[in-house]
Amino acid sequence: DAGVTQSPTHLIKTRGQHVTLRCSPISGHKSVSWYQQVLGQGPQFIFQYYEKEERGRGNFPDRFSARQFPNYSSELNVNALLLGDSALYLCASSVGLAVTYEQYFGPGTRLTVT
Amino acid sequence: DQQVKQNSPSLSVQEGRISILNCDYTNSMFDYFLWYKKYPAEGPTFLISISSIKDKNEDGRFTVFLNKSAKHLSLHIVPSQPGDSAVYFCAASEGFMDSNYQLIWGAGTKLIIKP
Repeated sequence: DAGVTQSPTHLIKTRGQHVTLRCSPISGHKSVSWYQQVLGQGPQFIFQYYEKEERGRGNFPDRFSARQFPNYSSELNVNALLLGDSALYLCASSVGLAVTYEQYFGPGTRLTVT
Repeated sequence: DQQVKQNSPSLSVQEGRISILNCDYTNSMFDYFLWYKKYPAEGPTFLISISSIKDKNEDGRFTVFLNKSAKHLSLHIVPSQPGDSAVYFCAASEGFMDSNYQLIWGAGTKLIIKP
């Protein structure tokens, strides 16, 4: 079975631009979460979506938004990019909402903002 | 404000010996804790978890200990193998029986197993 896939693998953008990152969860998984991992730090929770609804949001500005589609895939959008948005963006999927369900991570999208 | 702290950025252990990775937390509302392992160019992989109603959970070579009074948990790997070389993250959550997946992560400890 395919794991969690993310696209693109790497991305270089300029300050002020917009970016869209994509995630396909494991088949049968209805929950998708997004994390930002800055170099030298642990992942930081951005969003969780379950059954196409936002069910959790971390401490990120409104420039960050996401959505989940009927096939449970998800997009993370970041507007007005700042240098500080340079990071590895991780997507994770799980069967359900609760933290006791194992979360499976994709390899991430490396975003560089210049 | 770092709620989950892994104070050792790296740890080097001889193959076959015990590896002990430590994690401290400040939020007394945390009631579920997880350890993840991450290889370069891959996403984190779940290793083992423990809820606050237990003080120990074991899975093969991996054992997690939780000391609630000290707000401290540790991961023991016995015996350590070369494939265990990776970055290990500690993560915590409040209200694990609820619909809540907001994990708070530590900065990670890079474990190096020497042959």
